[in-house]
Amino acid sequence: KQEVTQIPAALSVPEGENLVLNCSFTDSAIYNLQWFRQDPGKGLTSLLLIQSSQREQTSGRLNASLDKSSGRSTLYIAASQPGDSATYLCAVRQRSSNTGKLIFGQGTTLQVKP
Amino acid sequence: GAGVSQSPSNKVTEKGKDVELRCDPISGHTALYWYRQSLGQGLEFLIYFQGNSAPDKSGLPSDRFSAERTGGSVSTLTIQRTQQEDSAVYLCASSPPGQKNVGSGNTIYFGEGSWLTVV
Repeated sequence: KQEVTQIPAALSVPEGENLVLNCSFTDSAIYNLQWFRQDPGKGLTSLLLIQSSQREQTSGRLNASLDKSSGRSTLYIAASQPGDSATYLCAVRQRSSNTGKLIFGQGTTLQVKP
Repeated sequence: GAGVSQSPSNKVTEKGKDVELRCDPISGHTALYWYRQSLGQGLEFLIYFQGNSAPDKSGLPSDRFSAERTGGSVSTLTIQRTQQEDSAVYLCASSPPGQKNVGSGNTIYFGEGSWLTVV
């Protein structure tokens, strides 16, 4: 059974710092891995989608990497801003499933202090 | 609409009552998902629709939970005889048709959720 773990559960940094969020998964047979952002009281916004054949994806100040063999992904946020404060969730799509359902980690809650 | 729309956004109900939660997916999206997010917990998969059929209901926690989808569009999640542990945010998501495997490579789009409180 696939298990997705995110470390740390919470993180507080001063504005301007570069930071890394970690995601690990137990079963490497995945189609892709996706990082989401969730603001308080809101739904999820997709940030980056990495296919299993890819090593990384970049969007603006965000860079996500994937090491499928070791079951790890990282989300790198450069020059953090207070507006980056949110909960970040990673999720994987299993190859064993033909439904495309996602298995989520419990998230990392990030606070960027001005 | 431009995104996934869910209603009601907030619902407070008494224990034992039935509730219905509605989801309007993005037009043209054939795949529709319901997830549940309890306080301090991650997202828990409930059910998946492809068109009007539900090939994966494995996440429904009990027979008090059911869902349907009509016209390949709107979906309703029904919770009968609600209990306090049903209090959570119920999130709906949709995804466009995949190629060989539904949703295998496509981004999924979430609604803002229906916040259910059972008192």
